[in-house]
Amino acid sequence: QKEVEQNSGPLSVPEGAIASLNCTYSDRGSQSFFWYRQYSGKSPELIMSIYSNGDKEDGRFTAQLNKASQYVSLLIRDSQPSDSATYLCAVKNSGAGSYQLTFGKGTKLSVIP
Amino acid sequence: DTEVTQTPKHLVMGMTNKKSLKCEQHMGHRAMYWYKQKAKKPPELMFVYSYEKLSINESVPSRFSPECPNSSLLNLHLHALQPEDSALYLCASSQDQGGAYYEQYFGPGTRLTVT
Repeated sequence: QKEVEQNSGPLSVPEGAIASLNCTYSDRGSQSFFWYRQYSGKSPELIMSIYSNGDKEDGRFTAQLNKASQYVSLLIRDSQPSDSATYLCAVKNSGAGSYQLTFGKGTKLSVIP
Repeated sequence: DTEVTQTPKHLVMGMTNKKSLKCEQHMGHRAMYWYKQKAKKPPELMFVYSYEKLSINESVPSRFSPECPNSSLLNLHLHALQPEDSALYLCASSQDQGGAYYEQYFGPGTRLTVT
């Protein structure tokens, strides 16, 4: 059973702080990792993808991957109230020749003005 | 441009109705997906089309019938649904199904209510 685990939250941070969202996965063969942001009642929006160990930065977002620890995280710097959403970690696994996304249950982030 | 469009945005249907959900992408992607998402849950994969052929059916009941008329369009035909089928139905696409590094982009979804 391929699993992706996230703390469900809610995670509350003050405006301007760093929000840290964490995700662990069970399949050591996982090759690619994605973070989606989902506002209430809306569809998931891809915000970061990461494939290699280390950090990847895009604006206020930094994704971190540690394959040895089977751990991926998302840091949001200078958090804004507009960052309040559910963040879904998704891991792409290989299985039967295809590559499917396995989603975590999501972490709800609340940024307090 | 990473746009996937879906129509309608909202749909209310009775248990005896037949309706269809539509999805379109113009990114040249060759893989298209249907997901179902219930409140406070992650998306659940239903179907995958690769190069216009159905490649994955995640044991979805036959009251859901997918169709891929061409490489840009994906339909989901609905018939004799149950109230528990009420959910957000998401379409997604990616450049290819068979690559580990291809990103999936979601459409805005169709909010379905079965009465």
